[in-house]
Amino acid sequence: NAGVTQTPKFRVLKTGQSMTLLCAQDMNHEYMYWYRQDPGMGLRLIHYSVGEGTTAKGEVPDGYNVSRLKKQNFLLGLESAAPSQTSVYFCASSSPGLADTQYFGPGTRLTVL
Amino acid sequence: GENVEQHPSTLSVQEGDSAVIKCTYSDSASNYFPWYKQELGKRPQLIIDIRSNVGEKKDQRIAVTLNKTAKHFSLHITETQPEDSAVYFCAASRQGGNEKLTFGTGTRLTIIP
Repeated sequence: NAGVTQTPKFRVLKTGQSMTLLCAQDMNHEYMYWYRQDPGMGLRLIHYSVGEGTTAKGEVPDGYNVSRLKKQNFLLGLESAAPSQTSVYFCASSSPGLADTQYFGPGTRLTVL
Repeated sequence: GENVEQHPSTLSVQEGDSAVIKCTYSDSASNYFPWYKQELGKRPQLIIDIRSNVGEKKDQRIAVTLNKTAKHFSLHITETQPEDSAVYFCAASRQGGNEKLTFGTGTRLTIIP
């Protein structure tokens, strides 16, 4: 099992450019999440999904969109990147119920110039 | 929504001594409290968790205690070793719903040899 994977690992964008981050999990988890991590601010939830075809807003959703067309994939899109979106992005997945630990991907470091 | 506060933000201890990190939460309905360890440049990884129906849980050198009345929980690391140096995050969630985790802002623990 690869667990949770993310592509790309690093990316540099110019202001106004768009990009999509891909998260994939092979653990058959129902729930998937996108977080951003900034120095001194911990992990903040951007969007999440409780199942294929569903998405919901988290704590800091502005400027991002997501899609969950397949159970194993969760895409995070930036339509018009801004320097404030420079961050490390982590995807995570979990399964509802008692054994519901969130497993994290390796992260994507995004720099917006 | 839930708010999690974590203290201290940095902590230095001599190798072999104990380290304690404390978190408070605001939502009395929260019932799941995981702790994650994040080494430099790596993904957060679960090290221990506790549910609201128990007051303490131990796993070798690490333990977590929960005080539901006061709405706070703590991570205890005994006999610290250099490999314990990392950033530690506490989190809280209300299980049985969408399992969203709210994270604290992290504690950078440094073990002094």
